[in-house]
Amino acid sequence: NAGVTQTPKFQVLKTGQSMTLQCAQDMNHEYMSWYRQDPGMGLRLIHYSVGAGITDQGEVPNGYNVSRSTTEDFPLRLLSAAPSQTSVYFCASSYDDEQYFGPGTRLTVT
Amino acid sequence: GENVEQHPSTLSVQEGDSAVIKCTYSDSASNYFPWYKQELGKRPQLIIDIRSNVGEKKDQRIAVTLNKTAKHFSLHITETQPEDSAVYFCAASKGGSYIPTFGRGTSLIVHP
Repeated sequence: NAGVTQTPKFQVLKTGQSMTLQCAQDMNHEYMSWYRQDPGMGLRLIHYSVGAGITDQGEVPNGYNVSRSTTEDFPLRLLSAAPSQTSVYFCASSYDDEQYFGPGTRLTVT
Repeated sequence: GENVEQHPSTLSVQEGDSAVIKCTYSDSASNYFPWYKQELGKRPQLIIDIRSNVGEKKDQRIAVTLNKTAKHFSLHITETQPEDSAVYFCAASKGGSYIPTFGRGTSLIVHP
């Protein structure tokens, strides 16, 4: 099993550009989520999904969209990148309460 | 919603000492309390968890205690080693279909 995978590992965007961060898991987990990690701020929940076709907002959803068309994939879209979205993004899937994190995407917006 | 406070934000100890990290939570319905360790440049990984039906759980050099009345829980690491240096996150959730709320993290530095 590859577990949770994320692409790309690093990305630099200009303000106003859009992009999609990819996340996939091969463990057949129903629950998936996106977090951002900023220094001193911990892991803040952006969006989550409890199954294919079902998504909901977390603590910091503004500027991000998600969709869940399959159990395996949970992409995160930045609609119009802003410098405040410079962060490390982690995708996670969960089973029986334990969160399995992907390796992360380091995003810089200039 | 749930609010998790974690202290201290930084903890520096000498190798062999014990380290204690404390968290408080606000939602009395929370019943699952995991701890994650994140090494530099890596992803967070679960190291130990506790459910509300027990007060303490141990796994070799790490232990977690829970006081439901006071709504706080703690991570204890004994005989610390340099490889324990990392950021530790506590979290709280209602279990089942609920996504956990994380604390802000504690950077543990173990000096050889």
